[in-house]
Amino acid sequence: SAVISQKPSRDICQRGTSLTIQCQVDSQVTMMFWYRQQPGQSLTLIATANQGSEATYESGFVIDKFPISRPNLTFSTLTVSNMSPEDSSIYLCSVDRPLGRTDTQYFGPGTRLTVL
Amino acid sequence: EDKVVQSPLSLVVHEGDTVTLNCSYEVTNFRSLLWYKQEKKAPTFLFMLTSSGIEKKSGRLSSILDKKELFSILNITATQTGDSAVYLCAVPPGGGADGLTFGKGTHLIIQP
Repeated sequence: SAVISQKPSRDICQRGTSLTIQCQVDSQVTMMFWYRQQPGQSLTLIATANQGSEATYESGFVIDKFPISRPNLTFSTLTVSNMSPEDSSIYLCSVDRPLGRTDTQYFGPGTRLTVL
Repeated sequence: EDKVVQSPLSLVVHEGDTVTLNCSYEVTNFRSLLWYKQEKKAPTFLFMLTSSGIEKKSGRLSSILDKKELFSILNITATQTGDSAVYLCAVPPGGGADGLTFGKGTHLIIQP
């Protein structure tokens, strides 16, 4: 499986500020995804990070609130902008189809965000 | 809209018991169904199922898919306290996109 790291692992932020979360993979991958898991809830897909083009956002998520970068095949960032307490969640990146595998997604260790 | 429903939502059993977790799904153009175990933050991959009736096994865990009835089960035999976790079921959407649709999960607690 791919080795995925995320930074920071956790943060406590003030309302109105922004936080950028980084996701690094140890091998080139086709697809990278960002998920949110609010307290007590399951995972919800925010967007697909496309290399060399704009991210594809799911219904209910917009680029102004969650800008995403994917400068190459091993790295992506998610920014949570103008944060409010409702943004307190675990944010997870995942990768699809590391070389030689199909359909299975592997998840990074997650970033636990608390907004005061 | 794709849908994944898991049951039960929570389950408390004693060490050594066998548990069966359920996952039903509705998705256009089914490709696969995945099971994950989530202990702290990151879900860890357990199984991917694509064919009906073929059991996947890994130690005390096993899973099987029924594509006719649109469900899957995850069995854990001789449970241990380390099996305590949230077990998530997910399907890739059928519309050509690649993100996963997750169920709400089953919160399994194994008591000593």
